[in-house]
Amino acid sequence: DGGITQSPKYLFRKEGQNVTLSCEQNLNHDAMYWYRQDPGQGLRLIYYSQIVNDFQKGDIAEGYSVSREKKESFPLTVTSAQKNPTAFYLCASTKKPRTGELFFGEGSRLTVL
Amino acid sequence: AQSVTQLDSQVPVFEEAPVELRCNYSSSVSVYLFWYVQYPNQGLQLLLKYLSGSTLVESINGFEAEFNKSQTSFHLRKPSVHISDTAEYFCAVSDQSTSGTYKYIFGTGTRLKVLA
Repeated sequence: DGGITQSPKYLFRKEGQNVTLSCEQNLNHDAMYWYRQDPGQGLRLIYYSQIVNDFQKGDIAEGYSVSREKKESFPLTVTSAQKNPTAFYLCASTKKPRTGELFFGEGSRLTVL
Repeated sequence: AQSVTQLDSQVPVFEEAPVELRCNYSSSVSVYLFWYVQYPNQGLQLLLKYLSGSTLVESINGFEAEFNKSQTSFHLRKPSVHISDTAEYFCAVSDQSTSGTYKYIFGTGTRLKVLA
């Protein structure tokens, strides 16, 4: 079945450690997105990519990094520079940016101790 | 840049009663609007979307939304809710960045709680 797979589902890390969240899709979608979800704040865009080897910063990119070396994969690294990294992270993709439906993964919950 | 406002953070409603979840957007220029639903600890799923044409759009599970250009609104309604509709609902708009790429901006969400 086609879809988006995020891993790990739950992750615990100590302060000061970098963490990489995986996002893989087999939908043949060109555009991929990373969002952060915090209670009462909705979804905030971290980074997005419309084609391989190209990506743009979203509204809250500081302390995060991404790469897009393959169409299917869009990993997100939460660096030690991110001041408040504990959150629920969602990856999404779409065939048609602007008008298309976003397909979401099931999310990764990161807790920094 | 586009923005989306969902004024109601929580909406409690009794089963079989009607409900309206409000969404207002910032600009009427070529606007494309979406409603998504999220069940606990899951990703979001598309409920319905407005791209053009008829201002009333419907989903397969009884929800509908009306695009109102003069009021810059895209409110979500259901005439009779079920317990299973308990979830968080997000309104979203697509937006073009200065680089020409497209991103999706979400509201802060409305938590619908259906009471027995």
